[in-house]
Amino acid sequence: QVQLQESGPGLVKPSQTLSLTCTVSGGSISSGSSYWSWIRQSAGKGLEWIGRIHIGGSTQYNPSLKRRVNISIDTSRNQFSLQLTSVTAADTAVYYCARVYMVQGVISGFDYWGQGTLVTVSS
Amino acid sequence: QSVLTQPPSVSGAPGQRVTISCTGSSSNIGDGYNVQWYQQLPGIAPKLLIYGNSNRPSGVPDRFSGSKSGTSASLAITGLQAEDEADYYCQSYDSSLSASAVFGTGTKVTVL
Repeated sequence: QVQLQESGPGLVKPSQTLSLTCTVSGGSISSGSSYWSWIRQSAGKGLEWIGRIHIGGSTQYNPSLKRRVNISIDTSRNQFSLQLTSVTAADTAVYYCARVYMVQGVISGFDYWGQGTLVTVSS
Repeated sequence: QSVLTQPPSVSGAPGQRVTISCTGSSSNIGDGYNVQWYQQLPGIAPKLLIYGNSNRPSGVPDRFSGSKSGTSASLAITGLQAEDEADYYCQSYDSSLSASAVFGTGTKVTVL
């Protein structure tokens, strides 16, 4: 059974960089799905897709966040990471990592999720 | 922010059937992208309920069914149970956003 676990600071100061890591267990990050994602949920905006990364390293980001987001992957450590720069209070949210569900080569949502981690942006 | 619109809430008595609509546009659901549905219990991560418009992952009761038509999709819950009380979200992709994943506004299902 694949499990995902987010880790990182729960409090980030405005204008600084938010950094989170997702550790995948119960299987290799390179097997099963080829894509892994970050999603966040805030009270005001609901669920918002941040971006995804392929095990080969290619990325795709939400256009609204693209200038500030970087997602990377370390297959040797079974981890992928999120960096969000120049954060403001609007970036306060629960951040989830998730596995992209692939069905016969078609991207079909997210089948495994981490438990989520609350990140608050405040001085 | 959400490009997929859902009713804020629906309710029904135990045993009844409820449906949740998800209205999109020609750049997402209407552009042929598949629709997924998620159930979210309080304080817990969303759980994939329906994928590829109408398919259930293993372990999801057949009380849950999904459909898609034109620029909209629907989730139906038959034989409503107390444990179904949760938030439900639809999700698709949008060509005007470089095929980014997009989520619905969410619907709270209340079991009376």
